[in-house]
Amino acid sequence: KQEVTQIPAALSVPEGENLVLNCSFTDSAIYNLQWFRQDPGKGLTSLLLIQSSQREQTSGRLNASLDKSSGRSTLYIAASQPGDSATYLCAVELTGGGNKLTFGTGTQLKVEL
Amino acid sequence: SAVISQKPSRDICQRGTSLTIQCQVDSQVTMMFWYRQQPGQSLTLIATANQGSEATYESGFVIDKFPISRPNLTFSTLTVSNMSPEDSSIYLCSVVGQALGETQYFGPGTRLLVL
Repeated sequence: KQEVTQIPAALSVPEGENLVLNCSFTDSAIYNLQWFRQDPGKGLTSLLLIQSSQREQTSGRLNASLDKSSGRSTLYIAASQPGDSATYLCAVELTGGGNKLTFGTGTQLKVEL
Repeated sequence: SAVISQKPSRDICQRGTSLTIQCQVDSQVTMMFWYRQQPGQSLTLIATANQGSEATYESGFVIDKFPISRPNLTFSTLTVSNMSPEDSSIYLCSVVGQALGETQYFGPGTRLLVL
């Protein structure tokens, strides 16, 4: 059974700092990995999707990397802003998994002024 | 991208009653899913809503407790039956479609509190 873990569980940083969120998964037979953002009281917003054949994806100040063999992904946020404060979730889809996602435990990020 | 709406956005219910949650998408999609997010926890997949046939449930979830319908390619409902306080959660629908690429899009969620 796929298990997805995120470290740290919570993180507080001053505005402007670069930061890294970590995601690890136990079954490396993944089809893709997605990073989502969840704001309090709201649904999920998709940030980045990395296919299993890719090493990284970038969108603005966000960069996600994938090392399938070691079962790890990182989300790098550059020049953090208070508006980045949210819970960040990674989710993996197994090969042949029928689009079903297994979610990580989440990292709650707070960017302070 | 897809625009997904859910009704109701939140509700407070008495134990023993049932609540039906609706999920509407602004375009035809291939797959629709229902997830549960219990307080302080991450998301867990309940079932895949299959168009015109019975839903496919994940381990630990049964049709009698969570009946699901999907009459067409843009709409699905999830019913939480015979509710108990342990059913207090956020329920989210998600969709995947050919026109959407591989990304999975989520609705805003339904916040359920059972007293």
